[in-house]
Amino acid sequence: AQSVAQPEDQVNVAEGNPLTVKCTYSVSGNPYLFWYVQYPNRGLQFLLKYITGDNLVKGSYGFEAEFNKSQTSFHLKKPSALVSDSALYFCAVRQSNDYKLSFGAGTTVTVRA
Amino acid sequence: DARVTQTPRHKVTEMGQEVTMRCQPILGHNTVFWYRQTMMQGLELLAYFRNRAPLDDSGMPKDRFSAEMPDATLATLKIQPSEPRDSAVYFCASGHNRGRQGSYEQYFGPGTRLTVT
Repeated sequence: AQSVAQPEDQVNVAEGNPLTVKCTYSVSGNPYLFWYVQYPNRGLQFLLKYITGDNLVKGSYGFEAEFNKSQTSFHLKKPSALVSDSALYFCAVRQSNDYKLSFGAGTTVTVRA
Repeated sequence: DARVTQTPRHKVTEMGQEVTMRCQPILGHNTVFWYRQTMMQGLELLAYFRNRAPLDDSGMPKDRFSAEMPDATLATLKIQPSEPRDSAVYFCASGHNRGRQGSYEQYFGPGTRLTVT
């Protein structure tokens, strides 16, 4: 079975400060890891993914994430947050050779001006 | 800019009525997923299609929900009869599985917000 934990329901940061959204996962075998963002009344939007190779992956809108196999983590980061980054962020995992994508419960990010 | 489209965006109906939600996946994508999002349950997978064949519908209440792909440009999700507990946002997503199983991302539509009174 595969699962994702996002330990923080909410993250609040000031504009210009670094933003980190935490994610840990559990999966048998090699994980495929994804981050999505959801703005109010919109569908989920793909940000980035880790499949293999470099542990640091870069995605849309200045976001990046670091895969840490020993800690089974895939934290999302942005060096300097913007007010427009305020949204709901989902981490997701898929076991290789599977089609099911397991989502975390989501973390609401609020960036204050 | 290719995107997944869904209709209707909003639907309010009375208990017992039939509801049909439609999805047009991105052209060329060979996988389609239906999800339901609620505050309590988060995102739940309802159905999965690959090359238009239904491979998994274990997440759907079988007695009232059905999902089909009559052609490559249309996926449908029907609820008959609808119940208040079906109120949720229903998302369709599509992806292109190029053979490295599981490595592809899914692209989500804007969702259908269903309210059953």
